[in-house]
Amino acid sequence: AQSVTQLDSQVPVFEEAPVELRCNYSSSVSVYLFWYVQYPNQGLQLLLKYLSGSTLVESINGFEAEFNKSQTSFHLRKPSVHISDTAEYFCAILYGKLTFGQGTILTVHP
Amino acid sequence: GAVVSQHPSRVICKSGTSVKIECRSLDFQATTMFWYRQFPKKSLMLMATSNEGSKATYEQGVEKDKFLINHASLTLSTLTVTSAHPEDSSFYICSARGLAGDIDTQYFGPGTRLTVL
Repeated sequence: AQSVTQLDSQVPVFEEAPVELRCNYSSSVSVYLFWYVQYPNQGLQLLLKYLSGSTLVESINGFEAEFNKSQTSFHLRKPSVHISDTAEYFCAILYGKLTFGQGTILTVHP
Repeated sequence: GAVVSQHPSRVICKSGTSVKIECRSLDFQATTMFWYRQFPKKSLMLMATSNEGSKATYEQGVEKDKFLINHASLTLSTLTVTSAHPEDSSFYICSARGLAGDIDTQYFGPGTRLTVL
């Protein structure tokens, strides 16, 4: 069975500060890894994904995540956040079906 | 990008009644649709997977007679919560995977908040 753990339920930061949202997973087989973002009153949107190849993947809005197989982690980072990054972020793995973490609410303060 | 809608966005019903939630893919044909349930401060839990024209596959622990899923066309799937009870109150989210979509690509609807009184 697969599982995903997001270690922080809430992460408050100030604008222009760096942020890291942590994600660890457990799986006995190779999986695909994803980060989704959910803005208020909207559906989940794919932020980035790791399928194979380079372990560092980037999104168009400055987020990046690095797949670390030895640590079974896929942490999400951004060097400088904006107010508009305030949202809930979900880490997920795919093996047949998507398995989600509990979500991390990122709140960016001015 | 691909858009998935859900209707209604919120619904309140009395205990014992049935509620139908619609999930539509607006600009693509969805061979496979997924239904999730999200509890407060918890992750999304997959309830069932439906393929157009065939019976849905339910996850372990999900009552198929209580949560009826129909995927009659390539753009519409419905979830009917039958004889709803307060413990069925939750946020229900659908997602869709297109005909030409990669196995890893799902597009999510905005969700439906169900409150059973």
